[in-house]
Amino acid sequence: GAGVSQSPRYKVAKRGQDVALRCDPISGHVSLFWYQQALGQGPEFLTYFQNEAQLDKSGLPSDRFFAERPEGSVSTLKIQRTQQEDSAVYLCASSYQETQYFGPGTRLLVL
Amino acid sequence: SQQGEEDPQALSIQEGENATMNCSYKTSINNLQWYRQNSGRGLVHLILIRSNEREKHSGRLRVTLDTSKKSSSLLITASRAADTASYFCATPGGTSYGKLTFGQGTILTVHP
Repeated sequence: GAGVSQSPRYKVAKRGQDVALRCDPISGHVSLFWYQQALGQGPEFLTYFQNEAQLDKSGLPSDRFFAERPEGSVSTLKIQRTQQEDSAVYLCASSYQETQYFGPGTRLLVL
Repeated sequence: SQQGEEDPQALSIQEGENATMNCSYKTSINNLQWYRQNSGRGLVHLILIRSNEREKHSGRLRVTLDTSKKSSSLLITASRAADTASYFCATPGGTSYGKLTFGQGTILTVHP
């Protein structure tokens, strides 16, 4: 079946712009995660959803970051007033049990 | 913050050779996972080993886990150019729902 998809794959934003990143998880997966991956580093946890409930947002770096999953399927990560330090790859993953299945990521560049 | 630390940071070998990567972690875990990331396929799960297992095999992959030393190793045998990628170990981040904490990764280059 289809894997996790993310869009857009690449996003260039001017500093101060708002961006919205979309994640389509594997159908039926209850758990959804967002991670941020800086260049040359491993992914770092941002937030977790179980169905539509956001149960952990401890990794969101600031209140400019907001995530939602209103119907328990598609999720959107929104970054308001982007800053240069927000430049990174944003990865979405969904899981059934312990294994997480990752999307290809959205590479965000803030100029 | 990242719990795992991979060693070496980079590894360069010839096709057909074996590649060994190590991972150390800080807190008690109930499982450890290895993932591979390359530009073509993104981050892909390779293997999961539980805390009560010492060794696990999957194709050309062999993973060991030593909970007393808080370390794991990933061995890729008879490497191929297609194995060129970054390899990450990941441990549960202290939650019941599977949040993962990744290491910084090992960059493996396999020369044809």
